[in-house]
Amino acid sequence: DAKTTQPNSMESNEEEPVHLPCNHSTISGTDYIHWYRQLPSQGPEYVIHGLTSNVNNRMASLAIAEDRKSSTLILHRATLRDAAVYYCILDTSGTYKYIFGTGTRLKVLA
Amino acid sequence: SAVISQKPSRDICQRGTSLTIQCQVDSQVTMMFWYRQQPGQSLTLIATANQGSEATYESGFVIDKFPISRPNLTFSTLTVSNMSPEDSSIYLCSVEERRYSGNTIYFGEGSWLTVV
Repeated sequence: DAKTTQPNSMESNEEEPVHLPCNHSTISGTDYIHWYRQLPSQGPEYVIHGLTSNVNNRMASLAIAEDRKSSTLILHRATLRDAAVYYCILDTSGTYKYIFGTGTRLKVLA
Repeated sequence: SAVISQKPSRDICQRGTSLTIQCQVDSQVTMMFWYRQQPGQSLTLIATANQGSEATYESGFVIDKFPISRPNLTFSTLTVSNMSPEDSSIYLCSVEERRYSGNTIYFGEGSWLTVV
């Protein structure tokens, strides 16, 4: 299965942008890159996904490297409610599996 | 996005018993997934459940321990059999929505099981 690697934890100050990196060097050409986050005591929540081009939605932006071997989730202004574990996963085409890595625990400082 | 309801949301179970977790979706979906999340850990895929076919289990998970039913396109159950304290986890149901812009999965709130 294609794998992703993320830093275990990151900290950010409230109201500042946060850049959460993800490496996926074994990605294949048709794998989508997904980001999910898990708030305390909740199930994972969809954040954003993309294939090749950068993507924006109301929650975040996704910047995908030209070679697709890495991506960055951008929270434009972190709030205390953004404190969560953020998972970067690949939609491995043909296998219909979504395999989660260890994720990045984001701490937002007031 | 799909709305997913899981029952029970929490339970305390006796060692050696079995518990069935239900997952109800508000729309018809082809792919459903069951995950386990042990305390402080990430999610581990248990199996993929498609309507009309047997569930496909990941390495380390077997049907005798985690039998799954998928009787229709909106419902699935996962049974945790002969439970031991090591089975204390959050069990999460998820569904895949297929879109032109790429598929997405959505999760229920999870079933928090404690085995004593």
